[in-house]
Amino acid sequence: SQQGEEDPQALSIQEGENATMNCSYKTSINNLQWYRQNSGRGLVHLILIRSNEREKHSGRLRVTLDTSKKSSSLLITASRAADTASYFCATDAEFSGGYNKLIFGAGTRLAVHP
Amino acid sequence: NAGVTQTPKFQVLKTGQSMTLQCAQDMNHEYMSWYRQDPGMGLRLIHYSVGAGITDQGEVPNGYNVSRSTTEDFPLRLLSAAPSQTSVYFCASSPGQGRQYFGPGTRLTVT
Repeated sequence: SQQGEEDPQALSIQEGENATMNCSYKTSINNLQWYRQNSGRGLVHLILIRSNEREKHSGRLRVTLDTSKKSSSLLITASRAADTASYFCATDAEFSGGYNKLIFGAGTRLAVHP
Repeated sequence: NAGVTQTPKFQVLKTGQSMTLQCAQDMNHEYMSWYRQDPGMGLRLIHYSVGAGITDQGEVPNGYNVSRSTTEDFPLRLLSAAPSQTSVYFCASSPGQGRQYFGPGTRLTVT
C-alpha cells in the first residue's frame, strides 16, 4: 500500500521558475521526509519535517506540512537544470519493533529545461 | 566514509537461480533496510534490521531472506528467483528514527 501520493506525477518547467510538488498521506505521522533521485541513482535525503512543524527551509527548498489535511508540499525556487530528478515523499507510517517504517510515494518527475 | 555500498551493480539471473545482494555501511548505523523499486512506483520495504541479530519483515518480504550478523553488513538473499523479482534494489542505513542513507542500487533482471 502507498501511504504517500505525490502530485503532479510529472512537471516540466524552465530554468529560473519555481517548482511545487505536493504529497498527501493517509495516517498520522511523526515526521515526513523528501528525497531526490537522479536517473539511475540512489535516493538522496533533502529535508525532514516533524509533525509539530509547519514549515522548514533548506537553501532553495521550502517544505510545508499541514497535518489537518494530511498533506505536504515541496517548493524549489529558482530551479536549475541540475534539479532535474524524481522527488519522493516518505512518511513513517508504522512503528514496529523499535523501527519507524518509511512508506514512499510514487514520486514526481521534474524536468527543468535550460 | 564510503557510506552505503552495494554489490553487484547489475545482475541477470535465470528463473529458479539463487543469489545474494550485498550491502555494507561504514557509518556504524543500527538500522538497515532493503527496498525494491519498480517502474513508476516508489520504494517498497522488503526487510529491515534494528541491530545485529535482529531482522523483521517489511511490506513485500516473500521470496527474500536476510540476516544481520554484524552492524556493517546486511545481505539480501533471493532463494529462487522469479521474473516478478526483476527490479532495482536499494539498501539503506540510518542512525535512528529519521533520515536514511541509500546505496547506489542493484539492477536485477530475472529471465
